[in-house]
Amino acid sequence: KQEVTQIPAALSVPEGENLVLNCSFTDSAIYNLQWFRQDPGKGLTSLLLIQSSQREQTSGRLNASLDKSSGRSTLYIAASQPGDSATYLCAVLNAGGTSYGKLTFGQGTILTVHP
Amino acid sequence: KAGVTQTPRYLIKTRGQQVTLSCSPISGHRSVSWYQQTPGQGLQFLFEYFSETQRNKGNFPGRFSGRQFSNSRSEMNVSTLELGDSALYLCASSVDSYGYTFGSGTRLTVV
Repeated sequence: KQEVTQIPAALSVPEGENLVLNCSFTDSAIYNLQWFRQDPGKGLTSLLLIQSSQREQTSGRLNASLDKSSGRSTLYIAASQPGDSATYLCAVLNAGGTSYGKLTFGQGTILTVHP
Repeated sequence: KAGVTQTPRYLIKTRGQQVTLSCSPISGHRSVSWYQQTPGQGLQFLFEYFSETQRNKGNFPGRFSGRQFSNSRSEMNVSTLELGDSALYLCASSVDSYGYTFGSGTRLTVV
């Protein structure tokens, strides 16, 4: 059974800092890994998708890496801004037919960026 | 292009009633998944439909059911509502497992 853990559970930083969010998963037989952000009471916004054959993806100030063999992914946020404040969720999709549509989520990291 | 649309946004129901939630996926997306999000349990997978067929199901009681129509729109139904069913219900669509796009969710409150 896939389990996803995110560390830290919460993070508070001043504006402008570079920061790293961590995600680990127990079963390395994944199809892909996706990072999302969620604002309070809202749905999930996709940030980055990494296929199992890829090592990293970048979008603007965001960079996500994937080390499938060690079961780890990191989300790097450069030059953080107050608008980055949200909950960040890591989700993995296992390979194989029994995993259709089933993303396994971590509990999230609550990020607060203060001015 | 239009995103994933969920209706209604908010619902208040009484214990014992039933409820139907709707999800319209992105045009061309044939896979629709449903999730329940609560503060205690986080995001939990309910079921996934692809071309009108349920391909996968999570560990929820039979009171939770769903279906998908030929235009890929999906509905989920919860019968005999319990207080513990209060949650944010999210649906997500995908071309076929290549990245998921989520809707804004339906907030269900059971009183």
